[in-house]
Amino acid sequence: GQQVMQIPQYQHVQEGEDFTTYCNSSTTLSNIQWYKQRPGGHPVFLIQLVKSGEVKKQKRLTFQFGEAKKNSSLHITATQTTDVGTYFCAGQNTGRRALTFGSGTRLQVQP
Amino acid sequence: NAGVTQTPKFQVLKTGQSMTLQCAQDMNHEYMSWYRQDPGMGLRLIHYSVGAGITDQGEVPNGYNVSRSTTEDFPLRLLSAAPSQTSVYFCASSYSAGQTEAFFGQGTRLTVV
Repeated sequence: GQQVMQIPQYQHVQEGEDFTTYCNSSTTLSNIQWYKQRPGGHPVFLIQLVKSGEVKKQKRLTFQFGEAKKNSSLHITATQTTDVGTYFCAGQNTGRRALTFGSGTRLQVQP
Repeated sequence: NAGVTQTPKFQVLKTGQSMTLQCAQDMNHEYMSWYRQDPGMGLRLIHYSVGAGITDQGEVPNGYNVSRSTTEDFPLRLLSAAPSQTSVYFCASSYSAGQTEAFFGQGTRLTVV
C-alpha cells in the first residue's frame, strides 16, 4: 500500500535557525496537506498543495510540492518558540479516498 | 462552533472489556475517519466513512468496528480491548475525502491494562 515517509523524525534548533522537514511518498499523490500538532494537542491543518511544482508561503513557512508529485517539503525561516510541535504531511494517492499521514517531524526550539 | 467533538477524553480499560469512542461533528461533513497515534508511528487510519451508511477499512482495522447511521456521528467500537490498543485516538471530518482540510477532535487517550 501507499507509504509516506518523513525525515527527520526529530530536530532540535536554536531560536532563529531555519528548519526543514521532507516528505516522500511511494506513489504519486493527487495532493498533499500539512498539519501541525502542538504537544498534547490535535493536528491542525496548515495548507494543501495540488499542482506539480507548487510553492506556497505562509509568513515564515514555505511549502513545496515536487514536480513528480511524490515529495514535498516544509521550510521554516528563523524559527520561534511558537513553532514547537510535530509537523505531519498527509497525502491522498490517486486511487484511494483517504489520507495517509507521514510519521511526522518533531521540532523543538530552544530560546 | 463545536467542530468535531470526541468523548471521552481519557479512558482506562481492562483487557477484554468493550467500549465505544464517540465522535460527532456539526459541520455537515460527509467524510469522517478514525486514526490512532502511537509514538514514532504518526497517524494510522483505522476506518473511514464517505457518507451515512457507508464505511470502509483503513490501514489498521483489526479489533475495531464502526457504523455511520447519521451524517453527524461516527462511533468507534472496541469489542474486546487488548493492551496493543493503548493509544491516542483521533476522529476527523472533512467536506470531501482527502481533498479538503480535515478537522480533528481533541482526541481520546486510551489505556488498556
